[in-house]
Amino acid sequence: AQTVTQSQPEMSVQEAETVTLSCTYDTSESDYYLFWYKQPPSRQMILVIRQEAYKQQNATENRFSVNFQKAAKSFSLKISDSQLGDAAMYFCAYRRPGGSYIPTFGRGTSLIVHP
Amino acid sequence: NAGVMQNPRHLVRRRGQEARLRCSPMKGHSHVYWYRQLPEEGLKFMVYLQKENIIDESGMPKERFSAEFPKEGPSILRIQQVVRGDSAAYFCASSPDSGNTEAFFGQGTRLTVV
Repeated sequence: AQTVTQSQPEMSVQEAETVTLSCTYDTSESDYYLFWYKQPPSRQMILVIRQEAYKQQNATENRFSVNFQKAAKSFSLKISDSQLGDAAMYFCAYRRPGGSYIPTFGRGTSLIVHP
Repeated sequence: NAGVMQNPRHLVRRRGQEARLRCSPMKGHSHVYWYRQLPEEGLKFMVYLQKENIIDESGMPKERFSAEFPKEGPSILRIQQVVRGDSAAYFCASSPDSGNTEAFFGQGTRLTVV
């Protein structure tokens, strides 16, 4: 079974600084998808960024970028120029390919942004 | 196009009562997934449904929990004879197909059993 591990229960960053959230996963598949979701206090799950395993180029969305290391099964999220609105729980997720789409989530990292 | 709609947002039940959680997927989405989030934990998969079919219920407790996604109407997650340990946030997500797209989440239902 696939597992997703987020080893940092909580991270802190100063406003305008950069922070990296780590995620590792375990799979025997060669093709899959990885996601970072943000969950603010409103509890709404918001997709931040997505990476296809077959793409070597790291995904980027404005201030959010990933460092995808397929061989190491690592998928970290970098947030640049952190803003107070970035404070939230961040979940890493893995999705199997093919007809059965059931994302597997890590336990989450709580990001605190200090003004 | 409205997002995934879950209701109620908050539900309080006494021990032994039944809880019914509703999820209306995004328009055009025929795949629904239910997750449970316990305090300080991530999302635990419960069940995956397509219209009128349960595809994967490997995450569902064997007793008291059931789910359906009828041809017409929302998907329902039903918990019978609730216990305090059922208190959690329950999230529904939908997808237009089982291919290359992410799941879109509702805002969740916070169930509190007193």
